[in-house]
Amino acid sequence: NAGVTQTPKFQVLKTGQSMTLQCAQDMNHNSMYWYRQDPGMGLRLIYYSASEGTTDKGEVPNGYNVSRLNKREFSLRLESAAPSQTSVYFCASSPTGDNSPLHFGNGTRLTVT
Amino acid sequence: GEDVEQSLFLSVREGDSSVINCTYTDSSSTYLYWYKQEPGAGLQLLTYIFSNMDMKQDQRLTVLLNKKDKHLSLRIADTQTGDSAIYFCAENTGNQFYFGTGTSLTVIP
Repeated sequence: NAGVTQTPKFQVLKTGQSMTLQCAQDMNHNSMYWYRQDPGMGLRLIYYSASEGTTDKGEVPNGYNVSRLNKREFSLRLESAAPSQTSVYFCASSPTGDNSPLHFGNGTRLTVT
Repeated sequence: GEDVEQSLFLSVREGDSSVINCTYTDSSSTYLYWYKQEPGAGLQLLTYIFSNMDMKQDQRLTVLLNKKDKHLSLRIADTQTGDSAIYFCAENTGNQFYFGTGTSLTVIP
């Protein structure tokens, strides 16, 4: 029972490069989320998908795009990476968006030089 | 719901109790959560409390909620070295969770 799986675990990019962070969950959850974690700032929501076919901006969406490919998968794309996007990225899912606890993946540590 | 505050660091001796505090902002939050993050890992749900409760106990964990002051605390009894981690409180307002900055708990043997 894998839960929420994120790939890759680590990534180094040069400024201006693009990449896609992958996330998949096997719990049949409806809602999925992307957060970034920075020291002293907790977790900040980038984008979320309340259900398959819908996506919405969170607190810090600039510089990112998302795709809810199907119920299981929710990817995060950086089109032109910037050093300010150096962070740890977490994907999470929940059965529904309304008060259900979040289940997190183990994170992707991204460094942009 | 965007200013969930926690102190950044806490050190306790093994066997003592730890108390981690949190203040939140949205009085309409229905559930409040505590998550634990170990090094290199994602956040794991520890416990949660419904907003109409004052207290919830789960083995070594006790959650206290003061809704009037919007204050939440997590008490860990008989703290062990394995409890060393970052602890996050979170509130849920509608479709979004807001997390505190996290409290890094260090347990001294």
